[in-house]
Amino acid sequence: SQQGEEDPQALSIQEGENATMNCSYKTSINNLQWYRQNSGRGLVHLILIRSNEREKHSGRLRVTLDTSKKSSSLLITASRAADTASYFCAPPGNTGKLIFGQGTTLQVKP
Amino acid sequence: GAGVSQSPSNKVTEKGKDVELRCDPISGHTALYWYRQSLGQGLEFLIYFQGNSAPDKSGLPSDRFSAERTGGSVSTLTIQRTQQEDSAVYLCASTIVPGTGELFFGEGSRLTVL
Repeated sequence: SQQGEEDPQALSIQEGENATMNCSYKTSINNLQWYRQNSGRGLVHLILIRSNEREKHSGRLRVTLDTSKKSSSLLITASRAADTASYFCAPPGNTGKLIFGQGTTLQVKP
Repeated sequence: GAGVSQSPSNKVTEKGKDVELRCDPISGHTALYWYRQSLGQGLEFLIYFQGNSAPDKSGLPSDRFSAERTGGSVSTLTIQRTQQEDSAVYLCASTIVPGTGELFFGEGSRLTVL
């Protein structure tokens, strides 16, 4: 069934640097969502990109989608310590079911 | 309330006991999801309710796990004869348009089985 797979599993950068994480999925999609999880909390929706969009921006976030490669990337520019969290992509299955991968754990060092 | 509410926030139980976890989704949200997250791991899909359709139970790990959603609103996840490996955070989420709409998550119920 449809599931997002994030890469890398873990990423450690210095404050101010950019962070890039990638997502691959299996079957065609209408859209793909990215979520963030702070330690011990529920997930929070970050951004949704539709299949007819190649790139989308929201503040310091930039998401790209390549449907031919079945992949997406999330770029966080000028990272801050507060960006430390786990990030998940979620390509929906055809019934609306969302299966998350293991996520990318981002650590931003001050 | 304005968000997804889960209770209890913490539950400690003894091996072999039954537990019930409750989820109050956002009013009007037709789809409801349950996930499990073990320490340091990703989210494991458990079950998905969508409107009046039969729930997708494909993620339930064993027949000790069951869930129901009454009146298209509140959902209860029941774990019978709990085992230590059931210890995890159980997360509930709801959305108004499954597959397109943003999922709103509760803060989770942390289950510890001694």
